[in-house]
Amino acid sequence: AQSVAQPEDQVNVAEGNPLTVKCTYSVSGNPYLFWYVQYPNRGLQFLLKYITGDNLVKGSYGFEAEFNKSQTSFHLKKPSALVSDSALYFCAVRDVGSSNTGKLIFGQGTTLQVKP
Amino acid sequence: DAMVIQNPRYQVTQFGKPVTLSCSQTLNHNVMYWYQQKSSQAPKLLFHYYDKDFNNEADTPDNFQSRRPNTSFCFLDIRSPGLGDAAMYLCATSRGGQGNEKLFFGSGTQLSVL
Repeated sequence: AQSVAQPEDQVNVAEGNPLTVKCTYSVSGNPYLFWYVQYPNRGLQFLLKYITGDNLVKGSYGFEAEFNKSQTSFHLKKPSALVSDSALYFCAVRDVGSSNTGKLIFGQGTTLQVKP
Repeated sequence: DAMVIQNPRYQVTQFGKPVTLSCSQTLNHNVMYWYQQKSSQAPKLLFHYYDKDFNNEADTPDNFQSRRPNTSFCFLDIRSPGLGDAAMYLCATSRGGQGNEKLFFGSGTQLSVL
C-alpha cells in the first residue's frame, strides 16, 4: 500500500536558521511527490513537486526539497527560515491508480514554528 | 485572479439537518475534488469529478453526496450531518491529464454541527 509519513508533529527553528521538514514515502513504481503548505484557516497551497529529473527541486517562497530514492525520502528545506514560514506543511504522493488526476495521499502534516 | 472559491466560509447546521457546501472555480479545470480535514489532520479525499465522471472513494459514507452541474460549480451535500462530520471541507481543482497533478485549493468551509 502506498503511504506518506511525516515523522515530526512539530519543528521549531529560530528565524534565520536553516529548516528541514521530513517526509518518507512508500509507493510501488516511480513516485510523484509534492509539498503543500497550509496557513491557519486557509486551504492548502502548492509549494513544489518532484516527478523526474534533478533530485533537488526548487519551489515557492525559497523552499526546496531533495528526493532521495535509496532512503525513500523527500525532505523539505529552506536555507534561512522566516517567521512568516510558520504554518502546517503536508507531504503528499500521487495515488498510483490515478494517472490522469491529482488524486493525492497526504501525510499527517508537520507544524513549523519559526521564532524571532 | 483565477481562483477556487468556497461558500460559505463558516457553516453551522443542526444534527440531522441537510446542508450544502458550494465551490466554484474560474480556472476552467477538468477535475474538482472534495476533501475533509479534521483538526489539522491530513486532508481526506471524499470524491472527485473528472468532467462529468463522478469518482467516489470507497470509504466515503453514503451520507455524503456531490453534484457538478457544470464545469465551474461543484456542491457537497451532507444529507444527515452527525457530530462526527464537523470538519473543514476543502474544494480543490486540477487541470487533469498527465503532468497536471498540481491541486488548487479553496480556503475551505468550516462546518459545525450542533
